Amino acid sequence: DAKTTQPTSMDCAEGRAANLPCNHSTISGNEYVYWYRQIHSQGPQYIIHGLKNNETNEMASLIITEDRKSSTLILPHATLRDTAVYYCIVTFRGQGGKLIFGQGTELSVKP
Amino acid sequence: DTGVSQDPRHKITKRGQNVTFRCDPISEHNRLYWYRQTLGQGPEFLTYFQNEAQLEKSRLLSDRFSAERPKGSFSTLEIQRTEQGDSAMYLCASSLAGQGASDCFFGQGTRLTVV
Repeated sequence: DAKTTQPTSMDCAEGRAANLPCNHSTISGNEYVYWYRQIHSQGPQYIIHGLKNNETNEMASLIITEDRKSSTLILPHATLRDTAVYYCIVTFRGQGGKLIFGQGTELSVKP
Repeated sequence: DTGVSQDPRHKITKRGQNVTFRCDPISEHNRLYWYRQTLGQGPEFLTYFQNEAQLEKSRLLSDRFSAERPKGSFSTLEIQRTEQGDSAMYLCASSLAGQGASDCFFGQGTRLTVV
């Protein structure tokens, strides 16, 4: 079973920030938080990952709470092309381990 | 190398027929994964290889399913005697395990429809 809980769906206005929450209260000390997204009819796409510190790349920012029991993926200026299902996954890094997907959050970016 | 490629992208087959899918991972990646995704659900892990060795198989992988990675490069997933319940998207992913490990990258998937 997935170790994460996410809202089923969210809406966001184009150009605004999209904040996608994820709960992972049973995360262990060596497990990373990964985010993937899946645009309709495509394979999942890696977005970002983090362990303890907040992370930012060209796609998004990842904010992890100090107790590491939850995190938020931030798309700073959502576009229509960001409409997708977003998956938050907790897993060990460095072992190339399998990913356990939950249901994800279906993000709809509206004009 | 532009990423993980899967072939075919779409397959329609009659119930009872055998089908085979191919996955070509990113060239330097030593791990290769197969997942299955049904409508409205997240991908489900089926099996993975490190080089040519199949290291783990999910209980979802019935006896009708077999996967190979004979030379540690491309992989094939065969489904024998297909059933309508096998209709799904079959996703392949690859990663580099060990020193300098990479994240997991997915192909576009093969959509199987069993009629």
